[in-house]
Amino acid sequence: EIVLTQSPGTLSLSPGQRATLSCRASQSISRSYLAWYQQKPGQAPRLLIYGTSSRATGIPDRFSGSGSGTDFTLTITRLEPEDFVMYYCQHYGSAPPYSFGQGTKLEIK
Amino acid sequence: QVQLQESGPGLVQPSETLSLTCAVSGYSVSSGYYWDWIRQPPGRGLEWIGSVYHSGNTYYNTSLKSRVSISIDTSKNQFFLRLGSVTAADTAVYYCARHGGVRGTDYWGQGTLVTVSS
Repeated sequence: EIVLTQSPGTLSLSPGQRATLSCRASQSISRSYLAWYQQKPGQAPRLLIYGTSSRATGIPDRFSGSGSGTDFTLTITRLEPEDFVMYYCQHYGSAPPYSFGQGTKLEIK
Repeated sequence: QVQLQESGPGLVQPSETLSLTCAVSGYSVSSGYYWDWIRQPPGRGLEWIGSVYHSGNTYYNTSLKSRVSISIDTSKNQFFLRLGSVTAADTAVYYCARHGGVRGTDYWGQGTLVTVSS
């Protein structure tokens, strides 16, 4: 079973700044099967990035993903007030099982 | 537009069985993809419960495997979750979702809160 560890647990930044969120896998995984989700309070998660670096439909280009092997990154440039919510990474494959990281909370400094 | 909607009791007694239905619209579940159940305890992270393929093949989280059953009814365009012998630790928002292959979990229901309490 692949375990994903996200860091930091909480990231404090100001609007306009750049955020870098990390997701580390317990073993090397395919770039094709790493996704990022955003979750606002009281809402279902929303797919941001799939296949490490492909933006989902309607996601602004302020959001980008990168990485390989065991280390993956979600970068958000020019933070806007609505970006200060929870973010989760997910590993999946051509078939289940799937696993999620424990999440990073992005908060306003 | 693919839409998913969970339904079922919001309160379940300890030791009983939690049963939820996910109704899918805008896409035929028989056309493909995996159909997932994911949960989130209050204030905590996401946990994958299990998935069903349109053929009926199922996959479960090993930590829940002895208590969970997921099935699909292609004629009704629905899939189902049953979780037995529930305890307070099973209190969570339960989401149904579509796993779009390489595109990740691309469509989610709004979620339904299930509380386990007497």
